[in-house]
Amino acid sequence: QKEVEQNSGPLSVPEGAIASLNCTYSDRGSQSFFWYRQYSGKSPELIMSIYSNGDKEDGRFTAQLNKASQYVSLLIRDSQPSDSATYLCAAFTSGTYKYIFGTGTRLKVLA
Amino acid sequence: KAGVTQTPRYLIKTRGQQVTLSCSPISGHRSVSWYQQTPGQGLQFLFEYFSETQRNKGNFPGRFSGRQFSNSRSEMNVSTLELGDSALYLCASSMDTTPAEAFFGQGTRLTVV
Repeated sequence: QKEVEQNSGPLSVPEGAIASLNCTYSDRGSQSFFWYRQYSGKSPELIMSIYSNGDKEDGRFTAQLNKASQYVSLLIRDSQPSDSATYLCAAFTSGTYKYIFGTGTRLKVLA
Repeated sequence: KAGVTQTPRYLIKTRGQQVTLSCSPISGHRSVSWYQQTPGQGLQFLFEYFSETQRNKGNFPGRFSGRQFSNSRSEMNVSTLELGDSALYLCASSMDTTPAEAFFGQGTRLTVV
């Protein structure tokens, strides 16, 4: 069983729409969660981190965490073609010193 | 503030050879972790170092090894290269705090022929 699961996509949204990316995790001991954006041929870039239940907003991005449901999501408002990339969800458990990554969701924002 | 620096960026090696990859973390970051990324498997954890000590290791054969120096710079070594070792190798550094945001280097693209 994969420890962090994401729909591989592609998720296609029109420019200006809200893109909703989802992630579930299996380890209830996971404490911190991260969203990375990865353009083709590039390395992952940290977008958001979230540690507490609820929402966290940063510009056009909102991360949501529900520890009871073991669910993390990322909303991208006013999606732009430049947001087209693969979005990786990661979970970190203190004491293991490793991040477990999902396989990523490919997002395509259509102009 | 300089980011995570990985060298070299690209490598082509022959089966059976060995390779050493280098990672310089962000200043002040003492935790360095390594990942292998392939199209089929995604990002797979190799190992993590802090203060020259390996604190965790992923499920990779013993041909994969690493170390960390007193200045937090890290190296990973792959011996007896196989075709399947062709991948993007990523290094990430973080502060040893909770939460721990990890920042990635640009990666080393290794091709084994």
